[in-house]
Amino acid sequence: DAEITQSPRHKITETGRQVTLACHQTWNHNNMFWYRQDLGHGLRLIHYSYGVQDTNKGEVSDGYSVSRSNTEDLPLTLESAASSQTSVYFCASSAKQGTEAFFGQGTRLTVV
Amino acid sequence: AQKVTQAQTEISVVEKEDVTLDCVYETRDTTYYLFWYKQPPSGELVFLIRRNSFDEQNEISGRYSWNFQKSTSSFNFTITASQVVDSAVYFCALGDQTGANNLFFGTGTRLTVIP
Repeated sequence: DAEITQSPRHKITETGRQVTLACHQTWNHNNMFWYRQDLGHGLRLIHYSYGVQDTNKGEVSDGYSVSRSNTEDLPLTLESAASSQTSVYFCASSAKQGTEAFFGQGTRLTVV
Repeated sequence: AQKVTQAQTEISVVEKEDVTLDCVYETRDTTYYLFWYKQPPSGELVFLIRRNSFDEQNEISGRYSWNFQKSTSSFNFTITASQVVDSAVYFCALGDQTGANNLFFGTGTRLTVIP
């Protein structure tokens, strides 16, 4: 069965370190997204991609970057982790714009 | 700009009661999409329903039903005869052309069903 997986599921890192969260989907979807979930804010869009070599900033993109070198993967990099980036991160993919997105299981990141 | 409001932060009901989760959205686009997702205690996000702006027909799926009213910009979700397994956080989301059809989420409603 097609799926979308995130790794690691949990990570603790120190302030100032670079961190990369992995996202891999086997749906062959063109669209991929990264969200963060924080209490009181719901899910907020960090970055998104509509295809290979395409990346776009979302609502809360400061301090984050993504790259899309193939259809299956959209890694999220925190260039210099800050305590404000402690959150649960969700990766998602969808077949095309306007269709439902399927989410990974989430990565809980703690920056100490 | 896009906005989704879920005014009910938390709701508690006793098992077998009916419960309605409210969702009000804002968009300037005439073509848009509305979604509901469920996030159980295990944390994953489960897709429940998608509705486009041209389809105002209400939908029923088992104990779940959705009421889409463009006149009030609402897309409410009703669970009939609630069960403990319905306990979760429920998110309403909007995708429109102004937002490149990316999903913008409300802040969620935490539903607790008491046995």
